[in-house]
Amino acid sequence: QVQLQESGPGLVKPSETLSLTCTVSGGSISNYYWSWIRQPPGKGLEWMGYIYYSGSTNYTPSLKSRLTISVDTSKNQFSLELSSVTDADTGVYYCARGRWELPYWGQGTLVTVSS
Amino acid sequence: DVVMTQSPLSLPVTLGQPASISCRSSQSLVGSDGVTYLHWFQQRPGQSPRRLIYKASNRDSGVPDRFSGSGSGTEFTLKISRVEAEDVAVYYCMQGSHWPPTFGGGTKVDIK
Repeated sequence: QVQLQESGPGLVKPSETLSLTCTVSGGSISNYYWSWIRQPPGKGLEWMGYIYYSGSTNYTPSLKSRLTISVDTSKNQFSLELSSVTDADTGVYYCARGRWELPYWGQGTLVTVSS
Repeated sequence: DVVMTQSPLSLPVTLGQPASISCRSSQSLVGSDGVTYLHWFQQRPGQSPRRLIYKASNRDSGVPDRFSGSGSGTEFTLKISRVEAEDVAVYYCMQGSHWPPTFGGGTKVDIK
């Protein structure tokens, strides 16, 4: 069974870059799409973007100017960078397999934007 | 963006009774390939979301058969035939037929 685990700093200062990594175990990152989804505290889910194992990406328009997703197949990992963060970027960040199929999710990691 | 509207926002249910959640989309979710990319997710308190139903009516492996999905076009329904205590959660619909993918606002199911 494929498992996903998010990791990264839990606290980021305003205007800085939020960086997270998702490590995939129990299966190869190859031949699949991989996504990031986030959830502000007490609110609903927002799909952010995806990457194919080959490196092609697609981002939701509202985040396109600030979001970069990359992949490292040698480490079976993919990563997210969100620049110029504000407190509106505070929330739980999930990684998942697929674009909109999303059958497997990580447990999520809470990122707080605060000075 | 396609707007996904769920109702009700909150659904108190008696144990053993049925529950029904509606999801409406602002555009038809029949994709260019003829497939309807409408999925249902369950998020229990303190947990990550779990997919229950994919492509409107297909139950994921390990999902109890008391969960069922139906609908087409712009109107979809998730039904729980007999609610159990472990079904307390927020349920989300999500569409992947139009760019960008979007989620409904969620329906909170709890025990009356």
